[in-house]
Amino acid sequence: EAGVTQFPSHSVIEKGQTVTLRCDPISGHDNLYWYRRVMGKEIKFLLHFVKESKQDESGMPNNRFLAERTGGTYSTLKVQPAELEDSGVYFCASSRGPMETQYFGPGTRLLVL
Amino acid sequence: DQQVKQNSPSLSVQEGRISILNCDYTNSMFDYFLWYKKYPAEGPTFLISISSIKDKNEDGRFTVFLNKSAKHLSLHIVPSQPGDSAVYFCAAPNQAGTALIFGKGTTLSVSS
Repeated sequence: EAGVTQFPSHSVIEKGQTVTLRCDPISGHDNLYWYRRVMGKEIKFLLHFVKESKQDESGMPNNRFLAERTGGTYSTLKVQPAELEDSGVYFCASSRGPMETQYFGPGTRLLVL
Repeated sequence: DQQVKQNSPSLSVQEGRISILNCDYTNSMFDYFLWYKKYPAEGPTFLISISSIKDKNEDGRFTVFLNKSAKHLSLHIVPSQPGDSAVYFCAAPNQAGTALIFGKGTTLSVSS
């Protein structure tokens, strides 16, 4: 069974540009989560999808971040326009049920210059 | 305000010895805890968990202890192996039971 995959693995962009991160969850996992780790800090929750619906987006920093999960399969996280403080590692995770073990992808390392 | 705290950024241990990683929490409503392990350039991998109805859970070389009165848990690795060198995160589900709240992590280095 394939694990959670994320694309790209790295992205370097300039302040003000747009970046779109993609996550493909484990097949059959209805629950998909986005997290972010800024260097040296804890991994912080951004939002949670159940199928295509946003269940909890309390962790989204501001309206420059837009997450979608059309069709309830893969998800995208768009940052527009990117700011310096958006740099960090963005992790996606998925689980079969909301209380079940979350499996993480390898992350996308975003650097905003 | 951090609800899950790992106050030791790093720990160095010799191969074969015990590694003890600590975690404190502030929210007494937490009733389930997890440890994740993370290698460089990889995502966190689930390691072991414990429910608040237990005070100990063991899986091979890994044991997690929970002290609810002290709001403290610890992960014991015995014997430690060089392959255990990684960042270890303590986590708890939020009150909705979905999102995980993580500590900052402890980097474990096991030397041979």
